[in-house]
Amino acid sequence: DTAVSQTPKYLVTQMGNDKSIKCEQNLGHDTMYWYKQDSKKFLKIMFSYNNKELIINETVPNRFSPKSPDKAHLNLHINSLELGDSAVYFCASSPESSGNTIYFGEGSWLTVV
Amino acid sequence: GDSVTQMEGPVTLSEEAFLTINCTYTATGYPSLFWYVQYPGEGLQLLLKATKADDKGSNKGFEATYRKETTSFHLEKGSVQVSDSAVYFCALNQAGTALIFGKGTTLSVSS
Repeated sequence: DTAVSQTPKYLVTQMGNDKSIKCEQNLGHDTMYWYKQDSKKFLKIMFSYNNKELIINETVPNRFSPKSPDKAHLNLHINSLELGDSAVYFCASSPESSGNTIYFGEGSWLTVV
Repeated sequence: GDSVTQMEGPVTLSEEAFLTINCTYTATGYPSLFWYVQYPGEGLQLLLKATKADDKGSNKGFEATYRKETTSFHLEKGSVQVSDSAVYFCALNQAGTALIFGKGTTLSVSS
């Protein structure tokens, strides 16, 4: 069973479109994250939720909006996509927000054309 | 703020060579330290971790020791294989913060 699963794995879309990436974890963890990996492989935290509550919101454009309907799901919606949004987006989860292993999904490769 | 610095790659080695990837950190408090690995086209997998000073994390022949005095967590392997070719990320984590990554080091092993 996949512990952290995200869909879609690949997404190619045009500039200006709105798209969503879904994430689900079956590990019973309280904390979920979204990370962005750029073309140079650099990983940066975007958002973190603990039990459906937003706890980390890094400097991310307002076009990015996370939604956590329950603690097992954290979706990422992106409005008005731009070329610079092309990246790999990783969902992750952990038992609590510090000191414990963070488990990553397989990533969603977003290409904006 | 907290940060992680790791040696820039790419690191190119022959099979069975010794590997060291340097990682140092800056943090207030006592972070947990991690190495993650990303194989081509895949997500990140935890390779090993250490949660306090002098702890040694180990897995699949890789080792790293948490050195508080030098704020380091260098990754080592005695004999690399072609299948170890991947990007390796050093990271730290403290209470109330998400995992903070270094920039990654690409390892390429040839037979």
